[in-house]
Amino acid sequence: AQSVTQPDIHITVSEGASLELRCNYSYGATPYLFWYVQSPGQGLQLLLKYFSGDTLVQGIKGFEAEFKRSQSSFNLRKPSVHWSDAAEYFCAVGAHAGGTSYGKLTFGQGTILTVHP
Amino acid sequence: EPEVTQTPSHQVTQMGQEVILRCVPISNHLYFYWYRQILGQKVEFLVSFYNNEISEKSEIFDDQFSVERPDGSNFTLKIRSTKLEDSAMYFCASRRLAHEQYFGPGTRLTVT
Repeated sequence: AQSVTQPDIHITVSEGASLELRCNYSYGATPYLFWYVQSPGQGLQLLLKYFSGDTLVQGIKGFEAEFKRSQSSFNLRKPSVHWSDAAEYFCAVGAHAGGTSYGKLTFGQGTILTVHP
Repeated sequence: EPEVTQTPSHQVTQMGQEVILRCVPISNHLYFYWYRQILGQKVEFLVSFYNNEISEKSEIFDDQFSVERPDGSNFTLKIRSTKLEDSAMYFCASRRLAHEQYFGPGTRLTVT
């Protein structure tokens, strides 16, 4: 069974500081990996995804993530955080679509990001 | 940019009542999903739907739940007899052949 762990429930950073949000996954094959962001009262917006190929993926809003198979990790990074980045961030692993599996996502618990001015 | 829409944004219902949550997926998408998020908890998969039938469902998706795509555009989730523990944010998602899912803004269901 697939699972996702986000070890940090809440992270606080100062505006302009760098950010890394941790994500570890468990999946029996090469995973499809995603980061979504949720602002209060809003839906889930896709930040970036990894399917295959280059293990460093770029996303929207200046975010990037690196897939490390040896560590079963897909950490999200941003070099300089803006106050508008304050939100909750979810890492998710997707089942391969094909056979009997149709791409359901398994989410981590989420990491709440607070940005201090 | 096309987006997934959901109505209503907030639904309040009494325990034991039936509710229908509605979603309009992106028009050329083929796979449809419902997820829910109980306040303070993680987003959980409920059901996936493809080619007019359920393709996968979680253990949460019991006989009280059903899904339907009544026409070419809507995708609905029905809860037959709501319980207090059904109170949650319900998200609809859709995807085409690529694997990223696009989520709607959610319907907050409050069961009193």
